[in-house]
Amino acid sequence: GENVEQHPSTLSVQEGDSAVIKCTYSDSASNYFPWYKQELGKGPQLIIDIRSNVGEKKDQRIAVTLNKTAKHFSLHITETQPEDSAVYFCAARAGGTSYGKLTFGQGTILTVHP
Amino acid sequence: DAGITQSPRHKVTETGTPVTLRCHQTENHRYMYWYRQDPGHGLRLIHYSYGVKDTDKGEVSDGYSVSRSKTEDFLLTLESATSSQTSVYFCAIGEGDRSHGYTFGSGTRLTVV
Repeated sequence: GENVEQHPSTLSVQEGDSAVIKCTYSDSASNYFPWYKQELGKGPQLIIDIRSNVGEKKDQRIAVTLNKTAKHFSLHITETQPEDSAVYFCAARAGGTSYGKLTFGQGTILTVHP
Repeated sequence: DAGITQSPRHKVTETGTPVTLRCHQTENHRYMYWYRQDPGHGLRLIHYSYGVKDTDKGEVSDGYSVSRSKTEDFLLTLESATSSQTSVYFCAIGEGDRSHGYTFGSGTRLTVV
């Protein structure tokens, strides 16, 4: 089955800096890659996603890039703010009939210092 | 989160007792999922459902069973709770392979003592 590796496990940045989180996946047939943000005591929330026919997608300060050849994708947050502090998860969905199942990375704890 | 409710939010139980967690949705989504979250492991799929009475195992299904008798409810049962099942459990709903990911519930923190 699919395996997703996420790095780094923790990331500390100063307010205004950029943050980058990277994920690799194992199944070359995977075709959908969402990113989730989890705040303390809450469930993960979808913040951005990308499909395998697209190389990059942006939404204000966040962007995701996908390299299908290398089987990796990354989350980029620019001009970080303290409210960006949270746990971030990447995920991948296998191709074919997967019933929508997602395989998640291990998570990255992002801390933005004022 | 709007449209999906988990109960209870917190539970402490003793080793060897059965425990049932409930996930209720009002979105009429066909697909429902149970994940557990543990430090260093991210979110791991326990069981999922692709319709009423249609369920299948995920990657960490041992010691767990599920039932879905109605579209809106997906129950997760720990048949005989063990300390290794101490975790935060999340339910999620989605629309399958054409959806834009999941919507997660707020989670149930389960402690087995």
